[in-house]
Amino acid sequence: NAGVTQTPKFQVLKTGQSMTLQCAQDMNHNSMYWYRQDPGMGLRLIYYSASEGTTDKGEVPNGYNVSRLNKREFSLRLESAAPSQTSVYFCASNRVSSYNEQFFGPGTRLTVL
Amino acid sequence: QKEVEQDPGPLSVPEGAIVSLNCTYSNSAFQYFMWYRQYSRKGPELLMYTYSSGNKEDGRFTAQVDKSSKYISLFIRDSQPSDSATYLCAMSSGGGADGLTFGKGTHLIIQP
Repeated sequence: NAGVTQTPKFQVLKTGQSMTLQCAQDMNHNSMYWYRQDPGMGLRLIYYSASEGTTDKGEVPNGYNVSRLNKREFSLRLESAAPSQTSVYFCASNRVSSYNEQFFGPGTRLTVL
Repeated sequence: QKEVEQDPGPLSVPEGAIVSLNCTYSNSAFQYFMWYRQYSRKGPELLMYTYSSGNKEDGRFTAQVDKSSKYISLFIRDSQPSDSATYLCAMSSGGGADGLTFGKGTHLIIQP
């Protein structure tokens, strides 16, 4: 099992460009999440998908859109990138047990110039 | 006041010492508590999870939750240089699909 995989690993964008971050999990988990991690801010929830066909906003959703393509895949789209979106983005998934343990991917390092 | 407070460190201790890492929180609805370890430029790795108050032990790691004080701890016994990492506490009010609220993480250094 690969667990949670993310592509790309690194990306540099110019202000105003768009891109999609991809995430896939092979653990048959129902719920998937996107977080961003910034120095001094910790991990913050952007969007999540409790199950296939549903998505909900987290703490910092502005400037992002998501798509739950199927049970395995959950993508994050930046329509018009801004320097404030420079961050490390992590995808996670959850088997929806009573403990809400989430398993994280390796991250995508995004720089917006 | 942020919902979850965690001292960023760095915390530097000699090899073999007992390490104590802590978080405080303000939201009394939090019931599920987790500790993650994150090595530099890697994703967070789940170490421990507990529900409500009490202790949980797994090898060299012990997690404690005191809901009356809104305080959680992670103890590492017989610390090793390989334990050097950033430790993140995380919590949620519900099980299931809720997102997690994280502390900022404590950078731990174990000196050989």
